[in-house]
Amino acid sequence: SQTIHQWPATLVQPVGSPLSLECTVEGTSNPNLYWYRQAAGRGLQLLFYSVGIGQISSEVPQNLSASRPQDRQFILSSKKLLLSDSGFYLCAWRGGGKESNYGYTFGSGTRLTVV
Amino acid sequence: GESVGLHLPTLSVQEGDNSIINCAYSNSASDYFIWYKQESGKGPQFIIDIRSNMDKRQGQRVTVLLNKTVKHLSLQIAATQPGDSAVYFCAEIRWTDSSYKLIFGSGTRLLVRP
Repeated sequence: SQTIHQWPATLVQPVGSPLSLECTVEGTSNPNLYWYRQAAGRGLQLLFYSVGIGQISSEVPQNLSASRPQDRQFILSSKKLLLSDSGFYLCAWRGGGKESNYGYTFGSGTRLTVV
Repeated sequence: GESVGLHLPTLSVQEGDNSIINCAYSNSASDYFIWYKQESGKGPQFIIDIRSNMDKRQGQRVTVLLNKTVKHLSLQIAATQPGDSAVYFCAEIRWTDSSYKLIFGSGTRLLVRP
């Protein structure tokens, strides 16, 4: 069966420090991968998505970047965190291909607090 | 970017009553819709989905209704239980730029009173 792992679960970082959040998927190949951010008490905002290794699409201009060094690994990064980067970050995957209508599966999330 | 930044409305229901959560979507080209349940501090969990060529789909204690004319989606929960308390999001799937994108609608917080 397919599983998705995200870590760490919580993170407190000072303003100006770097960030690296990792997401990995098991039990599938060539998944579409996504990073979402959720501010407290609000909806989910799509940040990045990837349809393959090295392929990253950004949805919103921001202080963050994403990379996909391996088929089932998706990394969210920042060189210098801002206070506004605080939030709940969620990784998600779905089966690839236009004909596929698999539902998205979400990781357990990382709660980032920038202080 | 496409996102929802609205403060979440709250629906309060008595345990045992039926709940109806509503959602409006924006893109008439979307062909697939999903309802998610999100408990505090956790990722969203799939509840039920519906294709755009359908107007109703039923699951266990849940029913999703789709009205494409007014671009409206609803989730009905029968005999609401305390464990149903959570935030509920509707989402639409769009095929753009050679990829599916899951775009979330406005969430609703469901509180179940004992």
